[in-house]
Amino acid sequence: AQSVTQLGSHVSVSEGALVLLRCNYSSSVPPYLFWYVQYPNQGLQLLLKYTSAATLVKGINGFEAEFKKSETSFHLTKPSAHMSDAAEYFCAVSAPNDYKLSFGAGTTVTVRA
Amino acid sequence: ETGVTQTPRHLVMGMTNKKSLKCEQHLGHNAMYWYKQSAKKPLELMFVYNFKEQTENNSVPSRFSPECPNSSHLFLHLHTLQPEDSALYLCASSQALLAGGRYNEQFFGPGTRLTVL
Repeated sequence: AQSVTQLGSHVSVSEGALVLLRCNYSSSVPPYLFWYVQYPNQGLQLLLKYTSAATLVKGINGFEAEFKKSETSFHLTKPSAHMSDAAEYFCAVSAPNDYKLSFGAGTTVTVRA
Repeated sequence: ETGVTQTPRHLVMGMTNKKSLKCEQHLGHNAMYWYKQSAKKPLELMFVYNFKEQTENNSVPSRFSPECPNSSHLFLHLHTLQPEDSALYLCASSQALLAGGRYNEQFFGPGTRLTVL
């Protein structure tokens, strides 16, 4: 079985500051890992995914995440926050041959001017 | 525009009402999903359809009844709901699921915000 834990339900950053969202996973098989973003009144949009290729994954809107097997982590970062990054972010995990996604509880990001 | 639309966007219903949620995808996919998103809880997968056949029912109460008449449309029929069923219901679609096949990216609709009084 697979699961993820997102550390921190809410993160507040200043515009231009580093955004760091933490995700740790538990998986009995090599995992596939994902970050989704949900803007207010919208559905989830895939930011990036790790599917056992390069451990540093670059996504849309300047986000990237690094898969660290030794730490069972897949933290999401963006060097410089923009006001438009205010949203809820979800980490998710699946097994390689399974369509089912297990989501974390989400982290809400607010950006201060 | 994600290519997955959901109607209505907001719904308020009493516990004795019957209503339906509709999802339509314009992406040429063959798999469709219903999720429930409650405040501060992980998304819960409810149902999965692959080529119009239900392949997953995640122990969902019978007061939720899905219907998939074709690969582009998915419905969730609601009856005698409880206040704890109030949530955001998300529809998603993906390429067809193949036995032993790899993950296919899921594309989500904007959801229906349901309130049960």
